[in-house]
Formats: sequence, structure tokens, C-alpha cells
Amino acid sequence: DGGITQSPKYLFRKEGQNVTLSCEQNLNHDAMYWYRQDPGQGLRLIYYSQIVNDFQKGDIAEGYSVSREKKESFPLTVTSAQKNPTAFYLCASSGIRVGTSGPGELFFGEGSRLTVL
Amino acid sequence: AQSVTQLDSHVSVSEGTPVLLRCNYSSSYSPSLFWYVQHPNKGLQLLLKYTSAATLVKGINGFEAEFKKSETSFHLTKPSAHMSDAAEYFCVVSESRSSASKIIFGSGTRLSIRP
Repeated sequence: DGGITQSPKYLFRKEGQNVTLSCEQNLNHDAMYWYRQDPGQGLRLIYYSQIVNDFQKGDIAEGYSVSREKKESFPLTVTSAQKNPTAFYLCASSGIRVGTSGPGELFFGEGSRLTVL
Repeated sequence: AQSVTQLDSHVSVSEGTPVLLRCNYSSSYSPSLFWYVQHPNKGLQLLLKYTSAATLVKGINGFEAEFKKSETSFHLTKPSAHMSDAAEYFCVVSESRSSASKIIFGSGTRLSIRP
């Protein structure tokens, strides 16, 4: 079945450690996104990518890094520079909306919950 | 740059009464607009999307939204609330451009339904 797979579902990290969250999609979508969800703040955009080997910072990119070496994969690294990394992270992808150049519907993974100990 | 503001963080209505969740957007280009719903401990589900073909957009579960360019609004409505509508609702905007499309979520509105 087509969809987005995020792993791990739960992750614990000690302060000062980098961690990488995996996101894989088999929907053949060009665009992929990483969001962070905190209570009362909605989803905030961390990074997004429209094509392989290209990505842009979102609104809260500091302390995060990404790569897009393959169309199917968009891993997110939470670095030790991220001051408050404990959160729920959502990966999404979208195709192009029919008849326009804009994005279509976002398809989400099930999320990864990161806790810093 | 685009932005989106959900005017109410929490809305409470009685079952069977109308629902109105307000959303204002800002965009330099022709926007794409969406509403998503997230039930407790569940994933995000698309309710409806604005495609520029019609200003009144119908979605799932009886929800609809009207795109008003003059007011830069995209409010979500439902004529009669049901207990199962209790959830978090997000208004989403994206600028329709040929280059990278940034998709921005509002801060969300929590909808509570009173019996």
C-alpha cells in the first residue's frame, strides 16, 4: 500500500546527542515536509523539499538538518543545538494539485515522538 | 510570505447547533487553502481544499468553507454539530507558485461539543 513511513515511533535522547528521524514515502510525490507539533501551537514547518538534492528552511529550522538524496527519503536530524527538542515530529508529502502548480493534499506519516532525558 | 491566523483557540457548541471556525490568511500569490482535522490520538485528515474553481467548497462530514478574497478569509462551517466532530481543526495555506511551495498551518482550533 502507498503511504509514508516514519521511524522510530518513540525515541529517547540524552542531552548533547544528535538523533535522526527517518521518513520514507512510496507515493511518488516530489514534495516532502517536516513539521513539529507542540500543544497549543499547531504544526510548525521545520524544512521542506520540492526535488531531490534541494531543500528549504521552514519557520523553525534552527537546530535541525535534513537531506534529500533520494525522492523517497527525507530524514531529519535533530542536533544538540536544538534547545527544546522534546516534541512530536510529523513528516508529510504532497504531489502537485491538478491544473495548477501548487501543492495538492498533504499525506502524513504516523509521527515520531522524541523525548530528551 | 504567507501566513495563517485561526482566530479562536477553542470553540464550544451544543450538539445540533451550527459550527463556525474562523481562519484568515495572508498571501502574496494566489493561495491554496485547506482545512485538516485531528481527532485525539489520531492522524491528520483532510476535510476540504480550495481549488479556485468555486469559492464555496464542500468537504467531508458535512463541513464546508467559503473563500472570500476581499476579506482574506476561509472560515469553516457546519450546519449541525455532532458529538463526533470534537477534535482539533487546522487551517492551512500555501502559495501556488511554480517554485517551492511552503505549506503553513494555523495554530489550531479545538472544537468541543456539549451534549
